[in-house]
Amino acid sequence: GEDVEQSLFLSVREGDSSVINCTYTDSSSTYLYWYKQEPGAGLQLLTYIFSNMDMKQDQRLTVLLNKKDKHLSLRIADTQTGDSAIYFCAESERSGYSTLTFGKGTMLLVSP
Amino acid sequence: NAGVTQTPKFRILKIGQSMTLQCTQDMNHNYMYWYRQDPGMGLKLIYYSVGAGITDKGEVPNGYNVSRSTTEDFPLRLELAAPSQTSVYFCASSYSNGGAPQETQYFGPGTRLLVL
Repeated sequence: GEDVEQSLFLSVREGDSSVINCTYTDSSSTYLYWYKQEPGAGLQLLTYIFSNMDMKQDQRLTVLLNKKDKHLSLRIADTQTGDSAIYFCAESERSGYSTLTFGKGTMLLVSP
Repeated sequence: NAGVTQTPKFRILKIGQSMTLQCTQDMNHNYMYWYRQDPGMGLKLIYYSVGAGITDKGEVPNGYNVSRSTTEDFPLRLELAAPSQTSVYFCASSYSNGGAPQETQYFGPGTRLLVL
């Protein structure tokens, strides 16, 4: 079955850039997502990318997709303490059929 | 606009008890989902529904039941609670017209369940 892997922890200083990495195994993954989960809260969609794209930028967020290596990354520029959260990578392989496979999440800790 | 709401926020059950986790969305979404999140893990899909009257199993359906009598509500039922069902449960919804690309899933705040 599908598998999504992420590093578990990342620590950065405020103002630095953060890069969170994700790898997936399903070559038919069509859509790839980044979700953010703050303590005690549900998941919030940050951004997503279609498999026919290799980059997407949205304000401080940049998503890079290497489809050959099945590698996805999320770069957060000028990281702020409010960015401290758990970030989940997720993939979906079929359009119009919306089940997602999630990674275990990367905890991002931003120190002042 | 409330989005996806879940009740209760927190519950403690004894082994063998039953309960229903409520989920309601006011966005007229046709798809709804139940996930569980165990500590340090990603979300696992329990059940999902593509519309009123239609439900299907996800990755981890054992020990749970669902129904979808209306577009808005998607309750999750635990009949005989077990310690292995201690988890955080998230409900989500999305809209898809079948031929469109994957749509965003909107998540509720979660229900924290402890089975002792």
